[in-house]
Amino acid sequence: GNSVTQMEGPVTLSEEAFLTINCTYTATGYPSLFWYVQYPGEGLQLLLKATKADDKGSNKGFEATYRKETTSFHLEKGSVQVSDSAVYFCALSDYSNSGYALNFGKGTSLLVTP
Amino acid sequence: DTGVSQDPRHKITKRGQNVTFRCDPISEHNRLYWYRQTLGQGPEFLTYFQNEAQLEKSRLLSDRFSAERPKGSFSTLEIQRTEQGDSAMYLCASSSVGGGANSPLHFGNGTRLTVT
Repeated sequence: GNSVTQMEGPVTLSEEAFLTINCTYTATGYPSLFWYVQYPGEGLQLLLKATKADDKGSNKGFEATYRKETTSFHLEKGSVQVSDSAVYFCALSDYSNSGYALNFGKGTSLLVTP
Repeated sequence: DTGVSQDPRHKITKRGQNVTFRCDPISEHNRLYWYRQTLGQGPEFLTYFQNEAQLEKSRLLSDRFSAERPKGSFSTLEIQRTEQGDSAMYLCASSSVGGGANSPLHFGNGTRLTVT
């Protein structure tokens, strides 16, 4: 079945540091890949997505590249801010998921300190 | 686009009581999903509707759980005879049919259930 594995947190970084959160996946077919973010007290928000191999999703300075050869979709940001403190979830969807529902990883908590 | 709204935000109930949550999806979205999220875990799929039809239920959805979407608009999730293990955040999401796996799910802020 489909599954997502992401690095465990919490991750603590100083402001302006480089961020990488690793995500790998197992899928039946050719999934679409997503990163969602959950800020404290808020719901899940789509951060970025990629729908085929070698696509790069980007938003708010975050990037992730769909790597089929390594079944990975690592999230990166060159310079994090305190406001990026949140929980980040990697997710996938493909035709074998009911109604294209998402399979989520366990989430990685990021804390950025001034 | 007013987003997905869920009500209530928080619910505290005693073990054995029944609870019902409501979700209002984005108006033009015909797919609606329920997820459960426990502390330190990612959201887990419970069930989904396309219009008013409930098309899939996870094995996580015991017979104490029932979901409806009577007119293909809002949905309710009822838990009967609640147990402490039901304590979790219940998330609702919606999406449109047309884009398949490319249509992202839009989530509400969730209903946090605490069973005492």
